[in-house]
Amino acid sequence: DGGITQSPKYLFRKEGQNVTLSCEQNLNHDAMYWYRQDPGQGLRLIYYSQIVNDFQKGDIAEGYSVSREKKESFPLTVTSAQKNPTAFYLCASSKPLLAGRTDTQYFGPGTRLTVL
Amino acid sequence: AQSVAQPEDQVNVAEGNPLTVKCTYSVSGNPYLFWYVQYPNRGLQFLLKYITGDNLVKGSYGFEAEFNKSQTSFHLKKPSALVSDSALYFCAVRPLNAGNNRKLIWGLGTSLAVNP
Repeated sequence: DGGITQSPKYLFRKEGQNVTLSCEQNLNHDAMYWYRQDPGQGLRLIYYSQIVNDFQKGDIAEGYSVSREKKESFPLTVTSAQKNPTAFYLCASSKPLLAGRTDTQYFGPGTRLTVL
Repeated sequence: AQSVAQPEDQVNVAEGNPLTVKCTYSVSGNPYLFWYVQYPNRGLQFLLKYITGDNLVKGSYGFEAEFNKSQTSFHLKKPSALVSDSALYFCAVRPLNAGNNRKLIWGLGTSLAVNP
């Protein structure tokens, strides 16, 4: 899991509530990512950020929001608009993209969100 | 559409026997290829990657992978399986025509069970 931390490990939310998942990295990586993992569906990209104060929607951004105010931090908010938020959420980061670099992604330990 | 296939949902192998976890891809150009491993309720751990050069890539924990351009495959292998290798394995591909968005295309994962 390297220098990427996610908190909390387990999170419970009532329907209709927003909740924010934390992701912090001390690897000096420019790029950060949020994925959602559901059984049998692999990893699906929610949002990603290549640099501070910039981020792009991934494949399943609806019902989620992010911010990237600091290089080290990329919090994910799961809003009440997300209809099926129960899942395992993974944060990742990667090194700056330079010519010839492969941009390997390194993952945090994950947060399991359950909606009650 | 670009895709990554892991044709086996589950692979069973006896401890001490060689193991293979298969991955094929359909992307344009010559992509970067990755293997990750995930233990229960944990984040993904990077195992190895192929960029260019020798078709046999060696990685962590004794794993290796063979790139076959004509078959567009990148199978993960280990000469002698351990019970502790039991986990979920993901193949991922980064098309080089993805521009600067750094997105990976993920397989759905293969569950490896090594029996004592």
